[in-house]
Amino acid sequence: NAGVMQNPRHLVRRRGQEARLRCSPMKGHSHVYWYRQLPEEGLKFMVYLQKENIIDESGMPKERFSAEFPKEGPSILRIQQVVRGDSAAYFCASSASPQVSGNTIYFGEGSWLTVV
Amino acid sequence: DAKTTQPPSMDCAEGRAANLPCNHSTISGNEYVYWYRQIHSQGPQYIIHGLKNNETNEMASLIITEDRKSSTLILPHATLRDTAVYYCIVRVAGGQGAQKLVFGQGTRLTINP
Repeated sequence: NAGVMQNPRHLVRRRGQEARLRCSPMKGHSHVYWYRQLPEEGLKFMVYLQKENIIDESGMPKERFSAEFPKEGPSILRIQQVVRGDSAAYFCASSASPQVSGNTIYFGEGSWLTVV
Repeated sequence: DAKTTQPPSMDCAEGRAANLPCNHSTISGNEYVYWYRQIHSQGPQYIIHGLKNNETNEMASLIITEDRKSSTLILPHATLRDTAVYYCIVRVAGGQGAQKLVFGQGTRLTINP
């Protein structure tokens, strides 16, 4: 888990508000992944990004969810008009370029979203 | 969908070796076997990975069968802090086609005093 920084660690939002979760990858990593874990369930892939590009968003809900990884700054997972079902732990992970041998994916400690 | 099969739960006595099995009968030649664990309310922690040969690091050993259809993660001297859900994942690592990790249900390992 060393190095992948997520904030906030805990976030409470009222229904209808927006939630923004930030992820700074490990130093030297240019690939970011977002996962969601609902209470008492497993980790589900959401989106895979490279700097300024979305590589795979096959796990992203079609509405209200978006992600970006700008050239400068952290990756952002944005949830608009949150509903109670969005309450979950959101984990960010990062890796080096696939061209780098090894290419292990490392996870952050997660952001816990509670919608009230 | 996850390409691995693991027992849902296991118990092990503190100080003994914990051996966690994983079946991956459809693994491809360029897919690695990765192991992660998730301690309650924490992010997944990388443990070890391998392709064909057995691997060992400071955390664990990974034994991969010759036909690569199954593997075993070994925690040589389990402690109470090793209680966690352990995930076995197959994944292309490196080069074109490197993929995200797909998590299954994992094995809930409980270390008993």
